[in-house]
Amino acid sequence: AQTVTQSQPEMSVQEAETVTLSCTYDTSESDYYLFWYKQPPSRQMILVIRQEAYKQQNATENRFSVNFQKAAKSFSLKISDSQLGDAAMYFCAYRYSGAGSYQLTFGKGTKLSVIP
Amino acid sequence: NAGVTQTPKFQVLKTGQSMTLQCAQDMNHEYMSWYRQDPGMGLRLIHYSVGAGITDQGEVPNGYNVSRSTTEDFPLRLLSAAPSQTSVYFCASSPIGLPRDNEQFFGPGTRLTVL
Repeated sequence: AQTVTQSQPEMSVQEAETVTLSCTYDTSESDYYLFWYKQPPSRQMILVIRQEAYKQQNATENRFSVNFQKAAKSFSLKISDSQLGDAAMYFCAYRYSGAGSYQLTFGKGTKLSVIP
Repeated sequence: NAGVTQTPKFQVLKTGQSMTLQCAQDMNHEYMSWYRQDPGMGLRLIHYSVGAGITDQGEVPNGYNVSRSTTEDFPLRLLSAAPSQTSVYFCASSPIGLPRDNEQFFGPGTRLTVL
């Protein structure tokens, strides 16, 4: 079974600085999707960024980018120019891309604090 | 579009009581699922469905039942609530088919406390 590990339960960053959240995963599959979700204090789950395993180019969404290392099974999230609104729980998630497979496997999360 | 809606937002039960958490979506999504979120544990899949009449178990199904009689609704039933079921419950939905990286849309969650 696949597992997702986020080794940093909590992190903090100064406003306007850059922070990187780590995620590693374990799977025997070669084609899959990886996601980062943000959960602010409102509890709403918000998709931040997604990556297809067969795409070598790292995904980017505005100030959010990933460093996807398939051989190392690593999928880190970089937040540039951190803003107060970035303070939240961040979850890394994996989904196998096989037919009929839609279940997400989540890591335990990283709580990000942004210091003014 | 209301998206994914969940009711109630908060609920307190006594041990042994039963209740149903409601989930509905208006996006005509085939896939629906239930997760529970516990501190330090992330989100764990309870049950899921790929269409009306089709359900299957996830990682932590014990103590929960589901059914899917319509595309829109996917209720989660607690038959005899236990303190271990104190958690925040999320319902999510997504279309199936292409593109395969379809985003899952989450409801706002239900915070359940079992005394």
